[in-house]
Amino acid sequence: ELKVEQNPLFLSMQEGKNYTIYCNYSTTSDRLYWYRQDPGKSLESLFVLLSNGAVKQEGRLMASLDTKARLSTLHITAAVHDLSATYFCAVDTNNDMRFGAGTRLTVKP
Amino acid sequence: EPEVTQTPSHQVTQMGQEVILRCVPISNHLYFYWYRQILGQKVEFLVSFYNNEISEKSEIFDDQFSVERPDGSNFTLKIRSTKLEDSAMYFCASRDRPGNEKLFFGSGTQLSVL
Repeated sequence: ELKVEQNPLFLSMQEGKNYTIYCNYSTTSDRLYWYRQDPGKSLESLFVLLSNGAVKQEGRLMASLDTKARLSTLHITAAVHDLSATYFCAVDTNNDMRFGAGTRLTVKP
Repeated sequence: EPEVTQTPSHQVTQMGQEVILRCVPISNHLYFYWYRQILGQKVEFLVSFYNNEISEKSEIFDDQFSVERPDGSNFTLKIRSTKLEDSAMYFCASRDRPGNEKLFFGSGTQLSVL
């Protein structure tokens, strides 16, 4: 069964600091997604990574994919309070998309 | 941007009752999904649906659950006899093809089973 593991599950960081969230998965896939969820809200698509070595950046967030290591990272640069949310990675297996447990990020002033 | 629409936004029901959660996927999409999220927990896959049949289902999707596309626009999830542990947020999602397209999620239906 496909397993998707994220770490850390909880992350508290100061504004202005950098940090990386990791997503490991157990099957061969070259399609990985990152989503953001605010409390009580739906899932907002952040990044779609479709090949080994893919790197995408949007504002203070940068996502990468290493399909050989079965690892994706979401790097946060100079965090700001607005980035506080839960971040999910998800691995696409054609028939469905399996999610990690999520990383609850809190950015403190 | 086109949206996946879910109704109702909140549903309260008694244990043992049947509920139907409704979704209107984006109009040109062909692949449909239901996920659920128990409060504060991970997003769990329930079922995927294509060409009027289930493509894949998880172990959560037991005989109490069923899905249907009754017409050209709606996609429904039915829970035949609700249990307390069915209380969760249920998300519908759609895309026009698997793999290269992001999944568009609806805003969810919060189901509370009393």
